Amino acid sequence: AQRVTQPEKLLSVFKGAPVELKCNYSYSGSPELFWYVQYSRQRLQLLLRHISRESIKGFTADLNKGETSFHLKKPFAQEEDSAMYYCALYPGTYKYIFGTGTRLKVLA
Amino acid sequence: DVKVTQSSRYLVKRTGEKVFLECVQDMDHENMFWYRQDPGLGLRLIYFSYDVKMKEKGDIPEGYSVSREKKERFSLILESASTNQTSMYLCASSWGQNQPQHFGDGTRLSIL
Repeated sequence: AQRVTQPEKLLSVFKGAPVELKCNYSYSGSPELFWYVQYSRQRLQLLLRHISRESIKGFTADLNKGETSFHLKKPFAQEEDSAMYYCALYPGTYKYIFGTGTRLKVLA
Repeated sequence: DVKVTQSSRYLVKRTGEKVFLECVQDMDHENMFWYRQDPGLGLRLIYFSYDVKMKEKGDIPEGYSVSREKKERFSLILESASTNQTSMYLCASSWGQNQPQHFGDGTRLSIL
């Protein structure tokens, strides 16, 4: 079955510490993967997608097909990174599959 | 910049009422989606549409229907609202099959 798993509901880190938000997927084909972010009182928005291979707001995500993972990383967390993060898979059927989300809290 | 506009930020209705949630996008996107967002459950797809007058069931369509009479507008209908439909509803659109989705601000619906 096609699935996206985000094992952590809440991740708390101190400002300046590295961040890794985990995302594992289950899909037999070549995946299209995205990270979306929702800041407090703002709409859900795209953070990055794997085919772009770009860094947005210091975040990067590498697709690891062997481990079926697409973890989101940032070397030094900022307080403004506190938000809800969703990993999403597009399996090629118009439908997107979202994970359950991880709330990141960056502590001062 | 793409604008997806949902008609209400907050809505309170009573059990048994027929409820309409409206969504409009201004970028001529082909695809539109309705999701429920619940704590611990993430985003769950209710319905989507890939063309005018076309609609497809998502993962949790029971108790809902949709209408897409014009390309820019996608309406979600709760035929007979129930308390378990109290939730945040998100509308989204995208211009292609594997393209990023653009979301509205959401409608927080409470059914009393």
